[in-house]
Amino acid sequence: AQSVTQLGSHVSVSEGALVLLRCNYSSSVPPYLFWYVQYPNQGLQLLLKYTSAATLVKGINGFEAEFKKSETSFHLTKPSAHMSDAAEYFCAVSDGTGRRALTFGSGTRLQVQP
Amino acid sequence: GAGVSQTPSNKVTEKGKYVELRCDPISGHTALYWYRQSLGQGPEFLIYFQGTGAADDSGLPNDRFFAVRPEGSVSTLKIQRTERGDSAVYLCASSFSGLGTGELFFGEGSRLTVL
Repeated sequence: AQSVTQLGSHVSVSEGALVLLRCNYSSSVPPYLFWYVQYPNQGLQLLLKYTSAATLVKGINGFEAEFKKSETSFHLTKPSAHMSDAAEYFCAVSDGTGRRALTFGSGTRLQVQP
Repeated sequence: GAGVSQTPSNKVTEKGKYVELRCDPISGHTALYWYRQSLGQGPEFLIYFQGTGAADDSGLPNDRFFAVRPEGSVSTLKIQRTERGDSAVYLCASSFSGLGTGELFFGEGSRLTVL
């Protein structure tokens, strides 16, 4: 079984400040990990993914995430928030065993204050 | 079309009625997924198709839910005897060859409201 926990359903930052969205996972096998973003009235869009290559993964729009096996974490960061980053962010895990489904966290809504 | 298309975008129905939700995936994508997203929650897996067959339907909540993909392209999610608890956004996604390292492309969803 696998699960994802996203700490903080809402995060608010000032424009230009660091963005940190937390994700912890549980998986009995080496996981594949993903961050998706959902803008208002749009479909989920892949930000970045970890698939057992480099532990620091760079994605679109300046986001990156670091896989830390010892902490079972895959936190999402961006050095400087932009107003356009306001959206809902979902962390997801796949166990890679062949059950071809993602397990999503409950999401974190990011607000960016001017 | 360029992306995953879902119709209808909104559906309001009465308790006990039958509904169908349609998904048109990206051309050439063999894998198709249905998810359900309730208010304040992340998407919840329902069913996965590889080609025409349902490779994993373990997420379907009960036998009122059924999905088909007869020609390996368009898929229809069917819900019988709808209940108020079925109200949610139903998301469809497709990918080139199934998960693993592949990216899922999501549609905008069909919002179902059961009165």
